[in-house]
Amino acid sequence: GEDVEQSLFLSVREGDSSVINCTYTDSSSTYLYWYKQEPGAGLQLLTYIFSNMDMKQDQRLTVLLNKKDKHLSLRIADTQTGDSAIYFCAERDSNYQLIWGAGTKLIIKP
Amino acid sequence: DTEVTQTPKHLVMGMTNKKSLKCEQHMGHRAMYWYKQKAKKPPELMFVYSYEKLSINESVPSRFSPECPNSSLLNLHLHALQPEDSALYLCASSQERILIVAGELFFGEGSRLTVL
Repeated sequence: GEDVEQSLFLSVREGDSSVINCTYTDSSSTYLYWYKQEPGAGLQLLTYIFSNMDMKQDQRLTVLLNKKDKHLSLRIADTQTGDSAIYFCAERDSNYQLIWGAGTKLIIKP
Repeated sequence: DTEVTQTPKHLVMGMTNKKSLKCEQHMGHRAMYWYKQKAKKPPELMFVYSYEKLSINESVPSRFSPECPNSSLLNLHLHALQPEDSALYLCASSQERILIVAGELFFGEGSRLTVL
């Protein structure tokens, strides 16, 4: 079946860029998403990318999509302490439901 | 109003109790979802309602019973739960069940359930 994989942790210094990576298996995915979950809270959609795009930029966020390698990344520029959270990658499957990655915990060092 | 409101935020119950989780949205969304999330794991889909009808049940045990009284409300009735059912239960809504466009799911903050 479809699978979405992410590394579990990423540690960066405040002010540096964070790059969170994700790989997926379903080549027919049309939408890929990044959700953010702060401690004790629900999930919030950060951004999404349509499969015919290579890149999408939204303020400090840049999403890169490599369809050939089925690789998605989220870059957060000038990482701040408020960016501490778990970031989930998700793809929309052929049943129009979301397949989730395990989540990457972003740790910010002062 | 772009909120999904869940109550209670925390619930502790014994294995013989009957309790309910509630979820409400006023965005006019026609699809509502229950997810279960264990610590450090992604959310797992439990149920999907579309136009107040149950459209997806991901083989959830019958001790979890969903109910959608109207298009704004979603309940999850709990009975005879096990300690391993302790988790964060997230409600979400979307415009339609079929996530044709951006497919944005709006999540509530969750109800943290502890089963003793």
